[in-house]
Amino acid sequence: GAVVSQHPSWVICKSGTSVKIECRSLDFQATTMFWYRQFPKQSLMLMATSNEGSKATYEQGVEKDKFLINHASLTLSTLTVTSAHPEDSSFYICSGGQNEQYFGPGTRLTVT
Amino acid sequence: SQKIEQNSEALNIQEGKTATLTCNYTNYSPAYLQWYRQDPGRGPVFLLLIRENEKEKRKERLKVTFDTTLKQSLFHITASQPADSATYLCALGTNAGNMLTFGGGTRLMVKP
Repeated sequence: GAVVSQHPSWVICKSGTSVKIECRSLDFQATTMFWYRQFPKQSLMLMATSNEGSKATYEQGVEKDKFLINHASLTLSTLTVTSAHPEDSSFYICSGGQNEQYFGPGTRLTVT
Repeated sequence: SQKIEQNSEALNIQEGKTATLTCNYTNYSPAYLQWYRQDPGRGPVFLLLIRENEKEKRKERLKVTFDTTLKQSLFHITASQPADSATYLCALGTNAGNMLTFGGGTRLMVKP
């Protein structure tokens, strides 16, 4: 299957700082990518749809000014968690593809 | 509202037996349904996709059924192995874009 990478795989940051997570499709082009967050022992919750060359579409309850998404090319989408707080600590996962989605390995964010 | 239900309790089975996982949905008319495997701390991995006009699909030891009348999919792993131990997620999609809605997942434990 296709390959999606994420960087970093884990990050620890202090409260109030911003963190950028990169999601790359390595062997396919993705006009659309999806960002999820996952809390321990819970399922994936869709945060937003990242659209190449246009604004992201956010799910209800997700603050667009807090979770900035940029999809500047067909192979790269970034998620920036701004002014991070401990409650933002979670596992963030991106995906891309057609009907079947290829997921990145995830980024574990810990905000202290 | 749309709901996708998977058994939240872990399924424990003996090696060599067939594991059967259930996915039920309500208030949804999916064009297709997918099954993913997720290991702890990793992103989901695509396993199988079955479309609304398909009753059954197989891939090696995996079999998926899709009953749009019952609004249910069954996921079978035959001759299960300890390496099959993971959380299995079902996801539903429509023909309007590639967005998926995930169920809560069922953890499978295969004991030697």
